[in-house]
Amino acid sequence: EAQVTQNPRYLITVTGKKLTVTCSQNMNHEYMSWYRQDPGLGLRQIYYSMNVEVTDKGDVPEGYKVSRKEKRNFPLILESPSPNQTSLYFCASSALFRDEQYFGPGTRLTVT
Amino acid sequence: GENVEQHPSTLSVQEGDSAVIKCTYSDSASNYFPWYKQELGKRPQLIIDIRSNVGEKKDQRIAVTLNKTAKHFSLHITETQPEDSAVYFCAASMWSGGGADGLTFGKGTHLIIQP
Repeated sequence: EAQVTQNPRYLITVTGKKLTVTCSQNMNHEYMSWYRQDPGLGLRQIYYSMNVEVTDKGDVPEGYKVSRKEKRNFPLILESPSPNQTSLYFCASSALFRDEQYFGPGTRLTVT
Repeated sequence: GENVEQHPSTLSVQEGDSAVIKCTYSDSASNYFPWYKQELGKRPQLIIDIRSNVGEKKDQRIAVTLNKTAKHFSLHITETQPEDSAVYFCAASMWSGGGADGLTFGKGTHLIIQP
């Protein structure tokens, strides 16, 4: 089954404790992206990747890191999480940038 | 960077009536405009998209129009049904053979279909 998976789905952590949210797709897509969704603010792009070893900042990259060492994986790293990073995070992928993006199920992160 | 404004934030229509959601964008170089639908508790899904070389695109009850001069695009849903109730997001970006900018979303419109 073609899909985008994210882990964990739910995470509660404390300020400053490094964490990684994994994202994997099995569709051989070139383009992958991370978004955060907050009430009243819609979806905001954090980082995106056009292909392996190519990443670019989106609209809200501060406090986040990404890497794209393999085509199928695009992990999101929070080196020192803060409460303002409490949010719902979505990973997405598409064959090419201008194609339909398939979203993962979301990761709800709470930082206390 | 790109800025996308979306209106209204909430739209309530009677079942069977039409619904229109409007978006404006700031970067005249943007040339790709998708619309995503997000049902409560679910992930966003693409419902239609338009590229800057066309002015209108239809898919059954859904249509999108684009006015490049005015930098605005709209989503039209006809004969609305209860399953159309959701949050709708417009987005804009620029892409070319050499690469692309990121995708900027509007803040969303909560569409409510009244029975």
